[in-house]
Amino acid sequence: DSGVTQTPKHLITATGQRVTLRCSPRSGDLSVYWYQQSLDQGLQFLIQYYNGEERAKGNILERFSAQQFPDLHSELNLSSLELGDSALYFCASSVSGTGAPLGEAFFGQGTRLTVV
Amino acid sequence: AQTVTQSQPEMSVQEAETVTLSCTYDTSESDYYLFWYKQPPSRQMILVIRQEAYKQQNATENRFSVNFQKAAKSFSLKISDSQLGDAAMYFCAYRSVYGNKLVFGAGTILRVKS
Repeated sequence: DSGVTQTPKHLITATGQRVTLRCSPRSGDLSVYWYQQSLDQGLQFLIQYYNGEERAKGNILERFSAQQFPDLHSELNLSSLELGDSALYFCASSVSGTGAPLGEAFFGQGTRLTVV
Repeated sequence: AQTVTQSQPEMSVQEAETVTLSCTYDTSESDYYLFWYKQPPSRQMILVIRQEAYKQQNATENRFSVNFQKAAKSFSLKISDSQLGDAAMYFCAYRSVYGNKLVFGAGTILRVKS
């Protein structure tokens, strides 16, 4: 158990809908990262929050947004869903906002999103 | 931008044998971290081993070791005495010491035969 909790584990929804994925980081971790794993794109970084503020942005679509709350949990909001958004969405957390000291990130078990 | 390449989509190894998974990367930075993550059928991303680029000594974690060739930008993973539980997808990943994100390779599926 990595200590990172993601809910729900599975989600099936229709095209055009909006969903929210939730992540609770490890105790003491200030950074939360979101990654998307799909068959065609592989594992891609979406966005990072550090202590409530957006720190880095990757290949995140405008239809997607995220936030980190004062208790450090994070939510990833996906709207106007398309079939191609079907993927495994991972949350990871780390102590620091940068690569120091060890650069290690701990991953949750992911949310499997299926858009039908 | 950094890139990570895993040229072996799939590998097989006999139980108790040794297998090496390949990874190359491209970066203009001199200091960074490299990782191997394991993703079993449970989907969990599990850190197998890490290497700091400034360290010349290759990292080792029990049956797992790496061959880090900085000049060649190569970072291979050797699994000794392979076990059935080693069967999984293995991802090589890069992280800058200044950055935040992990850059992943496409992954290598490892099958272990009994």
